[in-house]
Formats: sequence, C-alpha cells, structure tokens
Amino acid sequence: QVQLVQSGTEVKKPGASVKVSCKASGYTFVSYGISWVRQAPGQGLEWMGWISTYTGDPNYTQNLQGRVTMTTDTSTSTAYLELRSLKSDDTAVYYCARADYGSASPFDYWGQGTLVTVSS
Amino acid sequence: SYVLTQPPSVSVAPGKTAWITCGGNDIGGKSVHWYQQKPGQAPVLVISYNSDRPSGIPERFSGSNSGNTATLTIIRVEAGDEADYYCQVWDTGYRVRVFGGGTKLTVL
Repeated sequence: QVQLVQSGTEVKKPGASVKVSCKASGYTFVSYGISWVRQAPGQGLEWMGWISTYTGDPNYTQNLQGRVTMTTDTSTSTAYLELRSLKSDDTAVYYCARADYGSASPFDYWGQGTLVTVSS
Repeated sequence: SYVLTQPPSVSVAPGKTAWITCGGNDIGGKSVHWYQQKPGQAPVLVISYNSDRPSGIPERFSGSNSGNTATLTIIRVEAGDEADYYCQVWDTGYRVRVFGGGTKLTVL
C-alpha cells in the first residue's frame, strides 16, 4: 500500500534551518511528484511548492523563494524539504503529498505531518 | 493569485444534507478537488476532478462545479463526517496550487 512517512517533530530557534524528510513506499517513486503543504496552528492549508521526482526540478511559491529547497533521493525514495532563516511564523505542521504529474491533479496520498516549532 | 472562498462553518443535523461551497472566478472552468481533515490528522482526498470519488469514499459524498461555485454535497450526514473541508485548484496564471480557507462542518 502507498505510504508517505515523515520525520519527527522539530524544535528550532529563529534564524535556524530545518530539514524534513518524506519516505515513500508502495509505488514507483519517480512516477509521481511530491508537494509540500504546511498548516499553521488553527489555520488552513498552504501549498509551498512541489518537486518532480523524475527530473529533480522544483517549483516554489514566490513568498518562500530564497528560503526553501526541495530535493529528492531516488535511491531511497525520499523527498526532503529544507527551510532556512526560520521565523516564528514558520511554526506549522508540514505535510508531503503525492500528486500525478498533471498540474491539475489532486493530492491522493499524504504523509502524517511533521510539527516544526520555531521559538526562542 | 487565484482566490477560493469557503464559508467558515456549516452546521447540519444527523441524517440531513450538507452543502459546502467553494467560490472562485469562473471556477467552473477548473478542476476542483476536495479534502476532509479531522483534528490531528492529515487531509484525505474525498472528491477529485469536481465529482470523482476516490476508492473507499462513501457514495454519500458528491461534488459539482459550475459558473463561479463548486459544491461538495454530503447526504445522510453522520457524526463521523464532522471535520474541516478544503477545496483546491490549480491556478494556471500563477502556476500554483491554491486551497480554499476551509469549512468546519459541525454535526449537531
């Protein structure tokens, strides 16, 4: 069965960086893109960007450009999200989600989420 | 970028029908997906491409999309349907995926 398993809870200080992993299983990793979606406490869902697991090419939302890097390791079927220069506003649950390569395709499987807390 | 507008909350009695709307400029020309999120859990896809129901989703869930409004309909609502529901589309102009603000469904 398809599974996306994410790394555990992180607590970081402002200005630090965090790297979250998302290990895929149960399907051919390179056949689907991986998006990252975050959810601040009590708030809605915010799409951060996505990466083609086939080519490794990422596409980030404009408001995160310069602070975010998405990568993949096809040898381990794992996607990574790195966020730098963390601010308190980055406190959120971060989800990875799988989607077909069509740009209008839905997120059919999600990771369990990784809580990142940014606090001094 | 493209804006999706959902009512913050919808309340419905058990056994009745709930309608959750998602408004957007000419949204009828886009593919809309709907997600259900229960507290402390990851979202789950309940409707894709306006009206397709993924495997395992009850037939009580259906979707429609026309003009400036997409609608998620849940008939014979159960207590277990209580959750936040989000609509989502692809913004072709800005080339980003966009979520609505979410609707909290309360079963009375």
